[in-house]
Amino acid sequence: TQLLEQSPQFLSIQEGENLTVYCNSSSVFSSLQWYRQEPGEGPVLLVTVVTGGEVKKLKRLTFQFGDARKDSSLHITAAQPGDTGLYLCAGAVYNAGNMLTFGGGTRLMVKP
Amino acid sequence: KAGVTQTPRYLIKTRGQQVTLSCSPISGHRSVSWYQQTPGQGLQFLFEYFSETQRNKGNFPGRFSGRQFSNSRSEMNVSTLELGDSALYLCASSFPVGDEQFFGPGTRLTVL
Repeated sequence: TQLLEQSPQFLSIQEGENLTVYCNSSSVFSSLQWYRQEPGEGPVLLVTVVTGGEVKKLKRLTFQFGDARKDSSLHITAAQPGDTGLYLCAGAVYNAGNMLTFGGGTRLMVKP
Repeated sequence: KAGVTQTPRYLIKTRGQQVTLSCSPISGHRSVSWYQQTPGQGLQFLFEYFSETQRNKGNFPGRFSGRQFSNSRSEMNVSTLELGDSALYLCASSFPVGDEQFFGPGTRLTVL
């Protein structure tokens, strides 16, 4: 059974600060995805990382996949109130169809 | 293109009853996955259907079942409801395996 440990669970910061969310596992994943979920809505995919060591940037968001494909991080630069939400990492494994294993989530609040 | 539709959006049931939730995937998508989201356990995979066949199943009791129709619409059923079944039930659709999954807004089930 694959498990994904996500930290921190909660994060409350001021606008303009930087932050990093971590996603760790003892299992290897074929890919790792990051989602953001707003209240009353389903998760929305932000990025998928596939290759060990891969780094992807999405405006102020930087995603990294560990070399061994067991961990990932999400770094937000100069956070804005619009970044507030629940961030989720999810891992996929080979030969498991579309089944995703989700981390527990990080609830981010960015105060103006 | 219309997104993933889930009905109903909210549901209140009492212990011992059964419930059926519906998910209409994005047009052309053939894979539908179901997830349960609770504050304590986070997002957990229930099952995935592809071309009317269950392809993967999570670690949930047999009270949780599902099916997929020829038009790719899917239903999930929970029998003999328990208080702990109160959760947000999300479905996600995708076209081929490994492609981006699009989540619906979820059905909020409350068991009294």
